[in-house]
Amino acid sequence: EPEVTQTPSHQVTQMGQEVILRCVPISNHLYFYWYRQILGQKVEFLVSFYNNEISEKSEIFDDQFSVERPDGSNFTLKIRSTKLEDSAMYFCASDRNTEAFFGQGTRLTVV
Amino acid sequence: AQSVSQHNHHVILSEAASLELGCNYSYGGTVNLFWYVQYPGQHLQLLLKYFSGDPLVKGIKGFEAEFIKSKFSFNLRKPSVQWSDTAEYFCAVTSLSGYALNFGKGTSLLVTP
Repeated sequence: EPEVTQTPSHQVTQMGQEVILRCVPISNHLYFYWYRQILGQKVEFLVSFYNNEISEKSEIFDDQFSVERPDGSNFTLKIRSTKLEDSAMYFCASDRNTEAFFGQGTRLTVV
Repeated sequence: AQSVSQHNHHVILSEAASLELGCNYSYGGTVNLFWYVQYPGQHLQLLLKYFSGDPLVKGIKGFEAEFIKSKFSFNLRKPSVQWSDTAEYFCAVTSLSGYALNFGKGTSLLVTP
């Protein structure tokens, strides 16, 4: 069964550093998403991406965040200057027709 | 803005007990509704979804949910739970402007033997 894969599974970074979280969506999917879940809180939508551009973003997705699909397979989330409150589980998802498939997540810890 | 409320944060049941997890949403217009499950150490998986038609939706693993428009509810049910149903359950609604999911806080279900 095709699946969404995310790397790394766990990343520790110092405050102020840039991080790039990587995702490989399912190959024939058209919509790509990033969500995050801060420990003890709900899963929150960050951004959706379609046809090589952002189609929707939440208030959380400020100028510190960016997304890119640099080639035909990868979908990345970059945080330019990490803050302690960026510590969370980050989930990538993709869908083709209304059913989103999620990756296992990257646990980002900012110290 | 849409919001999704899940009433039970932690539920403990014995095997074979019946399950009902509550979910209410705030938006009164056309919505798409979902239940996702996250087993320990695994990714979020779709249990079932409702877009239109029969308000009683059947999903995988014996789960079902009923959409009651007048109550803005989409409760998840299973007549007889198993130990393997131990997981986190999330109700979600699509956003007004696209396909982004708006999740509830989740319900942690523990099924004891």
